[in-house]
Amino acid sequence: DTGVSQDPRHKITKRGQNVTFRCDPISEHNRLYWYRQTLGQGPEFLTYFQNEAQLEKSRLLSDRFSAERPKGSFSTLEIQRTEQGDSAMYLCASSWGVTPHTDTQYFGPGTRLTVL
Amino acid sequence: AQSVTQPDIHITVSEGASLELRCNYSYGATPYLFWYVQSPGQGLQLLLKYFSGDTLVQGIKGFEAEFKRSQSSFNLRKPSVHWSDAAEYFCAVGNTDKLIFGTGTRLQVFP
Repeated sequence: DTGVSQDPRHKITKRGQNVTFRCDPISEHNRLYWYRQTLGQGPEFLTYFQNEAQLEKSRLLSDRFSAERPKGSFSTLEIQRTEQGDSAMYLCASSWGVTPHTDTQYFGPGTRLTVL
Repeated sequence: AQSVTQPDIHITVSEGASLELRCNYSYGATPYLFWYVQSPGQGLQLLLKYFSGDTLVQGIKGFEAEFKRSQSSFNLRKPSVHWSDAAEYFCAVGNTDKLIFGTGTRLQVFP
């Protein structure tokens, strides 16, 4: 068990550029979550996959955001036309279980995005 | 709407002192409650969780939490704090397919 990994750990970009983050969950975990955490706040839910199906998206996930989980393994989160308000820590978590709200979610170290 | 409130933004304690971090939740059904800890540069680590049964839950690193339905609370406690416990602590409630987090409490430990 190598834990949840995220790449890159840090990303600095200019406003208007596109960025893509990757998350590798714990192997055999069927669920994968994306959260966003801004300074002084707790993580906020963005979206969630069960296997390769994206089952829920938060209203925080504007149409500039897209997430995929091909083949139910790793996941990518892309932000198009970044804005300064997108600056945050993007956290990925994975879990395995029957009922999502009782599963233990294991978090990765996060990708810190800074938009200049 | 479901929510979690952590009333204390910042707490400072001396090493060896006892600790209690407060958490209040608002949830219509049976709550599934979690405490996570986040150290600088680290991901969130689960300390403990409550689903049902005994209302006093033991976790890792010597932490425990008590679920009190009448007070809608799930406070985290530790009898003797170590300097390595300095971190940000988050309470969360499980809501169908996501976790709803509080804003966190930053714990500072003085020697």
